Amino acid sequence: SQKIEQNSEALNIQEGKTATLTCNYTNYSPAYLQWYRQDPGRGPVFLLLIRENEKEKRKERLKVTFDTTLKQSLFHITASQPADSATYLCVPSFSGNTPLVFGKGTRLSVIA
Amino acid sequence: EPEVTQTPSHQVTQMGQEVILRCVPISNHLYFYWYRQILGQKVEFLVSFYNNEISEKSEIFDDQFSVERPDGSNFTLKIRSTKLEDSAMYFCASIETAQQGRNEQFFGPGTRLTVL
Repeated sequence: SQKIEQNSEALNIQEGKTATLTCNYTNYSPAYLQWYRQDPGRGPVFLLLIRENEKEKRKERLKVTFDTTLKQSLFHITASQPADSATYLCVPSFSGNTPLVFGKGTRLSVIA
Repeated sequence: EPEVTQTPSHQVTQMGQEVILRCVPISNHLYFYWYRQILGQKVEFLVSFYNNEISEKSEIFDDQFSVERPDGSNFTLKIRSTKLEDSAMYFCASIETAQQGRNEQFFGPGTRLTVL
């Protein structure tokens, strides 16, 4: 069955370091991956989208890679800050308007 | 910046009562969604809506649920007879287009539904 996994449920990191979150998928090939951030009690917020033919996408301190051979996406936050503490969700997408299928994500805590 | 709004932010109801959750999607968006998140669990898809009809629904979206776009701006989710297990955060989302690579979903702040 189709499956998407994020490397860990929780990740603690020191302020100023680079946080790296991993998303692995098996048994299917999404056309692209979306990354969202969710704060407790709030709705998910879109961060970045990367297509299968793109190797890397950047936005400010965020960087996403997409390796279709490894079936893996990496999400990096450089110079992490306590305000980056949240749950980050990797979401595969196929066509334009299909509903999103969320996993539990990775809860990132940036410690000052 | 345009945003999705939802009302109320918190709704408390008795089991068996009907509730209507309201959403105002971003004005030029064409596709609308409802998701829910039970406390401590992942966000789950309920239903999608396009061109005044349901385009897809999940197993969760049974006969107790209905959606409506009564006018040009509101998008509502009705639960006919609430159960304890309907207690959750309900999120509305919308997208502008189905064009591939441009369909990031914009989520509202959610309505916390508590069924007693």
